[in-house]
Amino acid sequence: DTAVSQTPKYLVTQMGNDKSIKCEQNLGHDTMYWYKQDSKKFLKIMFSYNNKELIINETVPNRFSPKSPDKAHLNLHINSLELGDSAVYFCASSQTSGVGNEQFFGPGTRLTVL
Amino acid sequence: QKEVEQDPGPLSVPEGAIVSLNCTYSNSAFQYFMWYRQYSRKGPELLMYTYSSGNKEDGRFTAQVDKSSKYISLFIRDSQPSDSATYLCAIRPSGGYQKVTFGTGTKLQVIP
Repeated sequence: DTAVSQTPKYLVTQMGNDKSIKCEQNLGHDTMYWYKQDSKKFLKIMFSYNNKELIINETVPNRFSPKSPDKAHLNLHINSLELGDSAVYFCASSQTSGVGNEQFFGPGTRLTVL
Repeated sequence: QKEVEQDPGPLSVPEGAIVSLNCTYSNSAFQYFMWYRQYSRKGPELLMYTYSSGNKEDGRFTAQVDKSSKYISLFIRDSQPSDSATYLCAIRPSGGYQKVTFGTGTKLQVIP
């Protein structure tokens, strides 16, 4: 199936731990994103990579470090997890040459920090 | 002032009703307007996009943009229980590498 996939789907961990979320897209897109969706459903961009280059870096604690090994993959590593990091994290991809930069989202990773 | 304002609802309508979902935005630099649908525990999926004032129709869905009022709408005709979801408006300026700003979403429930 052509899609944006994320692993894991659920992540439950203790405060202070370090965790990673992985994302892969096989749509041939050149741009990938990480979004955070809080409990009130507000979807906020965190990072964006175009052809492995960081192009959007919103005000995010430096405990969050994205990494793009190639244009089909974008990972998110989070150090020293805090309670406030509990949210659903969505990966998305798009083709910048597209008219509206339509973004295709993955299924999300539900992170719960205890 | 938030860049995009959207009534969070919830909005509850009977099956077959016409639904109107709305967003206002503050920055006239925004040129592309999108509507995403998000089912519970799923990722958002693009429903419609437009980049001009006026109406764009796709089946039972019509997206309307009024740039002079900075107002966008999504109309759903003959609403179905399967339309029950959260609808997010999204906007971005023109040009590459511009971030998309999402509204907070309106939760819609269509009652059979």
